[in-house]
Amino acid sequence: AQTVTQSQPEMSVQEAETVTLSCTYDTSESDYYLFWYKQPPSRQMILVIRQEAYKQQNATENRFSVNFQKAAKSFSLKISDSQLGDAAMYFCAYRSAGLFMDSNYQLIWGAGTKLIIKP
Amino acid sequence: GAGVSQTPSNKVTEKGKYVELRCDPISGHTALYWYRQSLGQGPEFLIYFQGTGAADDSGLPNDRFFAVRPEGSVSTLKIQRTERGDSAVYLCASSPMVPRVGEDTGEQFFGPGTRLTVL
Repeated sequence: AQTVTQSQPEMSVQEAETVTLSCTYDTSESDYYLFWYKQPPSRQMILVIRQEAYKQQNATENRFSVNFQKAAKSFSLKISDSQLGDAAMYFCAYRSAGLFMDSNYQLIWGAGTKLIIKP
Repeated sequence: GAGVSQTPSNKVTEKGKYVELRCDPISGHTALYWYRQSLGQGPEFLIYFQGTGAADDSGLPNDRFFAVRPEGSVSTLKIQRTERGDSAVYLCASSPMVPRVGEDTGEQFFGPGTRLTVL
């Protein structure tokens, strides 16, 4: 079974600085997706960034980028130029690629990291 | 509707009562997921629908939990004889029909959740 581990319950960063959130996972599959979701107090899960395991290039979305190390099963999120609106819970999630008829497409989640932005 | 909607937003009930939680997915999305998020934790998978049928209900904790999606759109999660341990946020997500390999973005779109409190 796949597992996702986020070892940082809470991180804080000064506004405008850079912060990195860690995520490791365990799987025997070779093809899968990894995600970072943001959950503000409103509870709405918002996709931040997505990485396909077969792609070697790290995904980037504006101020958000990932460091995907497939062999090490590591998937960290870097937030540059942190803004007050980035404050939220951040969850790392895994999903199988779903190459078979009976594939399960559920997301497997880490425990989350609370990101605090200091003004 | 632009996004996934869930009703009610909050539900307070007494131990032993029956509750129904509703999810209205994005129009045209055939895949629908229910997750449960306990305080301070990441979501946990409950059940996955592809169309009208439950493709995977392995995450339902016991037979007090049941979910339906009779017309392949709206889904209802039903909890009988509620217990205090059922208190959590129940999240619903939807995604498009899983396309051919290579076209699947893997993304799930989430509703705002229903916070269930069992007294």
